[in-house]
Amino acid sequence: GAGVSQSPSNKVTEKGKDVELRCDPISGHTALYWYRQRLGQGLEFLIYFQGNSAPDKSGLPSDRFSAERTGESVSTLTIQRTQQEDSAVYLCASSLTSGRQYEQFFGPGTRLTVL
Amino acid sequence: KQEVTQIPAALSVPEGENLVLNCSFTDSAIYNLQWFRQDPGKGLTSLLLIQSSQREQTSGRLNASLDKSSGRSTLYIAASQPGDSATYLCAVRPSGGYNKLIFGAGTRLAVHP
Repeated sequence: GAGVSQSPSNKVTEKGKDVELRCDPISGHTALYWYRQRLGQGLEFLIYFQGNSAPDKSGLPSDRFSAERTGESVSTLTIQRTQQEDSAVYLCASSLTSGRQYEQFFGPGTRLTVL
Repeated sequence: KQEVTQIPAALSVPEGENLVLNCSFTDSAIYNLQWFRQDPGKGLTSLLLIQSSQREQTSGRLNASLDKSSGRSTLYIAASQPGDSATYLCAVRPSGGYNKLIFGAGTRLAVHP
């Protein structure tokens, strides 16, 4: 597609429920990133995928968070047993790993509200 | 640990003014620095990317400078317009890890007619 797309755009859930967020990267982009943005704060790195290499999970805040990516396509971020502090906008980005020097292109985000 | 700070946190100016937004980072070991624009309810739009070996980049009315040794970058906006109203984010990519960007909290800009 023309850009990074994410779904759903908004998600309201109850505390304790599991949620799944989806990201479609730009076609041909081998790298994919997930970030979280809490209200009034900067973006926090969560996880990074590069091709078939092992993902960099160093930013995941707890074991309730996990993410998958098949090859160089869609990625899903799963949050189990959601807590109110998980409320945030979750942003996905993708990039090439050559040429434009790793410039990241972002999707519109998923706004998650945990009641 | 790399930390990125943006000053001011918010700025309100009349149309036509020239603006300077500031970004500072604590560790000069960076691969590049990127400026983004974020509109309410939307994702981030990349404005300018400066490699660590570069001093500045220009795009239209925007000019970004980088002084890596002092840990500073500035985004200069010439002849501001109401359409420039948005949050501007600065992010650095550490040299040791190509995997992520470290962001500042942003400067919220309002340009009024």
